[in-house]
Amino acid sequence: QKEVEQDPGPLSVPEGAIVSLNCTYSNSAFQYFMWYRQYSRKGPELLMYTYSSGNKEDGRFTAQVDKSSKYISLFIRDSQPSDSATYLCAMSADRGSTLGRLYFGRGTQLTVWP
Amino acid sequence: SQTIHQWPATLVQPVGSPLSLECTVEGTSNPNLYWYRQAAGRGLQLLFYSVGIGQISSEVPQNLSASRPQDRQFILSSKKLLLSDSGFYLCAWSPAQRGFSGNTIYFGEGSWLTVV
Repeated sequence: QKEVEQDPGPLSVPEGAIVSLNCTYSNSAFQYFMWYRQYSRKGPELLMYTYSSGNKEDGRFTAQVDKSSKYISLFIRDSQPSDSATYLCAMSADRGSTLGRLYFGRGTQLTVWP
Repeated sequence: SQTIHQWPATLVQPVGSPLSLECTVEGTSNPNLYWYRQAAGRGLQLLFYSVGIGQISSEVPQNLSASRPQDRQFILSSKKLLLSDSGFYLCAWSPAQRGFSGNTIYFGEGSWLTVV
């Protein structure tokens, strides 16, 4: 079983739709959760990060973590064509040591059409 | 603010030729540095990481090597490229001291390598 599972899509939605992107994981020690956005032929950029369970909102984006279900989500409200990209989830367990491993999902390709 | 630069952005190399990709980070000291490879449909694969000058850890046995000659410089090399080395290579960094954000890492723009 992979550490992090993410449906690769592709996901295609009309402009203005609410988008839900999800990842599941198997390691109950994960406590740091991140979402990256990657435009075509570019490096991933950090979009949001959360610690432990709960929600975090930033503009049109909401990250949600449910540690009991080992499930994380990213919601995009009022989606725009500029949101078209691949979204990668990432997570890690370690904070105390010098270098902690970051585990990535394979990414979900999202297209928002006007 | 911190910035990361990676070059070249694109290169086409023949099989058996050498490779050198370079990455530098500005605006921070003693960062953790990483090289990832992203192959189509296979996600991000960690190749090397470094916690300091001359300190390199390899994640997978392969045709590649990495070096860190200066605090904020990370180099990915190969003596003889294989067709299977083609892919998108990403340099990344994270702060040495991690706070609330844990070990969040920040990526460069990437280098597209095609081995022909």
